[in-house]
Amino acid sequence: SAVISQKPSRDICQRGTSLTIQCQVDSQVTMMFWYRQQPGQSLTLIATANQGSEATYESGFVIDKFPISRPNLTFSTLTVSNMSPEDSSIYLCSVGDRVTEAFFGQGTRLTVV
Amino acid sequence: GEDVEQSLFLSVREGDSSVINCTYTDSSSTYLYWYKQEPGAGLQLLTYIFSNMDMKQDQRLTVLLNKKDKHLSLRIADTQTGDSAIYFCAVFTGGGNKLTFGTGTQLKVEL
Repeated sequence: SAVISQKPSRDICQRGTSLTIQCQVDSQVTMMFWYRQQPGQSLTLIATANQGSEATYESGFVIDKFPISRPNLTFSTLTVSNMSPEDSSIYLCSVGDRVTEAFFGQGTRLTVV
Repeated sequence: GEDVEQSLFLSVREGDSSVINCTYTDSSSTYLYWYKQEPGAGLQLLTYIFSNMDMKQDQRLTVLLNKKDKHLSLRIADTQTGDSAIYFCAVFTGGGNKLTFGTGTQLKVEL
């Protein structure tokens, strides 16, 4: 299975600022995804990070708020822009080139104050 | 779109079996997964089942799939305190090419 490292593991941020979360995988993967898990809730897919092209966003998520980079097959970043307390969540990176391989990083716990 | 539902809470005694249930709506779902999330941690993939299977067993874990009723269950035999966590079922639908997660079931194991 792929080893996925996310940084930071947690952060407390001021409203109105932005935070960039990094996801590093120990092997090349085609598919990388970003999820959000709001407090006490399930996971919601934010977007699919595409290497060499713009990310594909799910309904309710926009590039201006959640810009994503995917410079190569082992790395991606998610930025949470102009944060408000409603953005307090766990953000998780997921990878998997086969449907039987859907692995997650340990997540980034974000608190916006 | 796909809806995936789970009961929110389950409490069992140590040594008993736990059964966590999940229902989904999209009959074209192909792969179905169970994940475990411990406090402060990410998601750990426990097991998965393909839609043409009825059952899959992996050590203490047994997955049952009733495709007609769109019902998935995870049975944990000889439940231990270390099994206390939130368990998510997730469904992959080929048409949407993405995973849809259930609401999660908090499993509490009591001594």
